[in-house]
Amino acid sequence: AQRVTQPEKLLSVFKGAPVELKCNYSYSGSPELFWYVQYSRQRLQLLLRHISRESIKGFTADLNKGETSFHLKKPFAQEEDSAMYYCALRASNTGKLIFGQGTTLQVKP
Amino acid sequence: NAGVTQTPKFQVLKTGQSMTLQCAQDMNHEYMSWYRQDPGMGLRLIHYSVGAGITDQGEVPNGYNVSRSTTEDFPLRLLSAAPSQTSVYFCASGTARWNYGYTFGSGTRLTVV
Repeated sequence: AQRVTQPEKLLSVFKGAPVELKCNYSYSGSPELFWYVQYSRQRLQLLLRHISRESIKGFTADLNKGETSFHLKKPFAQEEDSAMYYCALRASNTGKLIFGQGTTLQVKP
Repeated sequence: NAGVTQTPKFQVLKTGQSMTLQCAQDMNHEYMSWYRQDPGMGLRLIHYSVGAGITDQGEVPNGYNVSRSTTEDFPLRLLSAAPSQTSVYFCASGTARWNYGYTFGSGTRLTVV
C-alpha cells in the first residue's frame, strides 16, 4: 500500500532563512510525487510535480528514490510563503492520489 | 471556465440524516476524487473515479457512496450522517494530459450534530 509521511506539523522560520519541508513515501512501484499548497481561506493548488522538474515561486523538490523522499526546499523564505503544504503520491497502478498529513509553514518577519 | 464547483459550501445535518454533496467539473478531466480534511489527519481519500461508470474506494470509504454517470459530475452521498463525519470535504479532478496535477474545489464544510 502507498503511504505519504510529513513528519513536521509545524515549521516556523524567519524571513530570509532557508526552508525544507520533509516528505517521505512508501510505494513499491514507480512513484509520481506532487506538492500542493493551501493558503489561508483558499483552495488547494498544485505547487509542483517531480516529473516536470519545475521551480515554482522559488521552491524546488527532488525525488530521491534511495531515501524514498521528496523534500520541498526554498533558499530564502518570504512571508507570503506562509501556508499549509501537502505532499502527495499518485499510485500508477490505481490512479489514486494519496496525501500526507500536511505541514504548516510559518514565516516570521 | 469554472474549474471544479462544489455545492453547498456549508451544511449542518442531524445525526441519521442523509444528503448529497455535489461536485462538477467542466475541464473534461477523466479522474475525480473526494477527500476529507481533518486537523492533524491531512487529506484522506474517500472515493475516486478514473472515468464515467468507474469508481473505487479510497482510504476512508465507510458511510459514503459515489457514482459517476457522466464525466462532469461526481456526487458524494452520506447515507446516515454521524458526528464523526463532521469535516471539510474537497472534490478534485485531474487528467493524464496535465501529468495528473489535480484541480480542487473550494470545499464543503459539513457539521453533523
